[in-house]
Amino acid sequence: EADIYQTPRYLVIGTGKKITLECSQTMGHDKMYWYQQDPGMELHLIHYSYGVNSTEKGDLSSESTVSRIRTEHFPLTLESARPSHTSQYLCASSLPLGLAGGTFFFGPGTRLTVL
Amino acid sequence: AQKVTQAQTEISVVEKEDVTLDCVYETRDTTYYLFWYKQPPSGELVFLIRRNSFDEQNEISGRYSWNFQKSTSSFNFTITASQVVDSAVYFCALSEVNFGNEKLTFGTGTRLTIIP
Repeated sequence: EADIYQTPRYLVIGTGKKITLECSQTMGHDKMYWYQQDPGMELHLIHYSYGVNSTEKGDLSSESTVSRIRTEHFPLTLESARPSHTSQYLCASSLPLGLAGGTFFFGPGTRLTVL
Repeated sequence: AQKVTQAQTEISVVEKEDVTLDCVYETRDTTYYLFWYKQPPSGELVFLIRRNSFDEQNEISGRYSWNFQKSTSSFNFTITASQVVDSAVYFCALSEVNFGNEKLTFGTGTRLTIIP
């Protein structure tokens, strides 16, 4: 059982606000990811990190940014939220290859609504 | 590039019926992993199974079973004697083993509704 946490679970904010979505894991996994899930259910990778001070953009372009200063922490920031950012954001971490085959474990998600 | 296709967008069955969720994948890697995840209404993604490309044995876990066929690039999921608690969105996913660069690509999901 993986321990990966996201806060807040739900967030409703106005346009133009700066927000940070928190993600923490206690398993010491090097690899962490952010997925965005639109209302049509599709999941898209927007950011990933393979370790401290490593961040990469994912397959879907996103106006958000991420940082990885500590292994356990991978926050996502939106400098100026817009209604188009309304979505569910899922954080994940993964085991290394050769150890349970790179299984991804997901947090409970943050459901963001921008008015 | 890797791709996962779940052609069934929504399925509804009456409780106790069996149901199969289809998953077809594309990859150029010879080594890869396939996954199924369940997303209940609460929103979290629950890991169900992982299968690597070298292991084509089918797997059964209680009412759940998975049929992996490399020849047709399919990894189908069957629920036997379905229950209302099985209602959820189910995602099939693929991870290529490109060392140091593995990412998880999801299908578009199948929304399963079990009717009491």
